[in-house]
Amino acid sequence: RKEVEQDPGPFNVPEGATVAFNCTYSNSASQSFFWYRQDCRKEPKLLMSVYSSGNEDGRFTAQLNRASQYISLLIRDSKLSDSATYLCVVNRGDYKLSFGAGTTVTVRA
Amino acid sequence: NAGVMQNPRHLVRRRGQEARLRCSPMKGHSHVYWYRQLPEEGLKFMVYLQKENIIDESGMPKERFSAEFPKEGPSILRIQQVVRGDSAAYFCATTGESYEQYFGPGTRLTVT
Repeated sequence: RKEVEQDPGPFNVPEGATVAFNCTYSNSASQSFFWYRQDCRKEPKLLMSVYSSGNEDGRFTAQLNRASQYISLLIRDSKLSDSATYLCVVNRGDYKLSFGAGTTVTVRA
Repeated sequence: NAGVMQNPRHLVRRRGQEARLRCSPMKGHSHVYWYRQLPEEGLKFMVYLQKENIIDESGMPKERFSAEFPKEGPSILRIQQVVRGDSAAYFCATTGESYEQYFGPGTRLTVT
């Protein structure tokens, strides 16, 4: 079983729509959680950290469910510029991060 | 990207040649991670180094691959006798305060 699993998508949504997707992680000892975005095989860029209480950053909302071992990302009012691959990233509390393979989101005009 | 620099950005090698990829974290950062991303796949951890020490090389292929981070100068990922399967994007990263990592722009290696 992979440490981090994501629905690869693609999620094709019109501008202005809301899109949400999850990822699951296998290690219950995981401590820190992140969403990264990666554009066209460029470097991954940190989108947001995910906190136990859930957190928002503008149009982006992240949730953590420790009991079911999944995290989610919701994007409201989608923009064309949100088209990217979103990587779910989990840390066990040591130096190593585990990356999901990514969820592709395409926002169309 | 926290000032993480990588070069070259693109590297073409023929089968059997050597590839050297360089990573310079921002000044004051002494930890470097190397990742490989094969086409249509996710990021795979290769090695974690601190200055002059390899901390974890559990993701490195057993042969042909080596990494170093000397006291002075950039971290080097070295691939000897490259094969077509080594064609990939290689990213290095450094850490932030809460285990998040910041990536360099990557080196795209093409083996012909």
